[in-house]
Amino acid sequence: DVKVTQSSRYLVKRTGEKVFLECVQDMDHENMFWYRQDPGLGLRLIYFSYDVKMKEKGDIPEGYSVSREKKERFSLILESASTNQTSMYLCASSWSPSYEQYFGPGTRLTVT
Amino acid sequence: AQSVTQLGSHVSVSEGALVLLRCNYSSSVPPYLFWYVQYPNQGLQLLLKYTSAATLVKGINGFEAEFKKSETSFHLTKPSAHMSDAAEYFCADFTGNQFYFGTGTSLTVIP
Repeated sequence: DVKVTQSSRYLVKRTGEKVFLECVQDMDHENMFWYRQDPGLGLRLIYFSYDVKMKEKGDIPEGYSVSREKKERFSLILESASTNQTSMYLCASSWSPSYEQYFGPGTRLTVT
Repeated sequence: AQSVTQLGSHVSVSEGALVLLRCNYSSSVPPYLFWYVQYPNQGLQLLLKYTSAATLVKGINGFEAEFKKSETSFHLTKPSAHMSDAAEYFCADFTGNQFYFGTGTSLTVIP
């Protein structure tokens, strides 16, 4: 079974802190994705990566950056956390861009 | 650009009744369409996918969806709802270079 793990299920941070969200997949997938999920808005793509050291902006990249130094690991970075970044963050991976994505359990981030 | 629309953010059905969750897509090229389910405090899990092999797609847990090009629809159905079907359901479309997810439909099953 494909397994996508995220470093934390729940996280509470203060405004202005630098926040790291880690995602690891164990199926040698080329593609990895970061989404945020908010009620009534569904999933919105923040960043994605089709290969190691490659990254592409999604629909809402402002205030975020990513890092992919190894194939299995994709990190989301909030450079200076703000309260409007309080959300559920979901990581996903896939064999190919058009193939189904496999999701991690999510990290619920609260910024106070 | 949003390319899938889910009609109805909340749907309630009685246990044993038909489940119908609606999804319309807008891409002009043959789409890749997916339905995902999200149980409380979990990530999304694939229910089924359409990749042009057959218009009626069967998925897990008794769900199926029919691709109708004339209606640009990919509605999700299940003949008989079970309490364990209570969850949030997302339709998704792969268009251009990325996935687009609908805003989700929360399904409540009434005993």
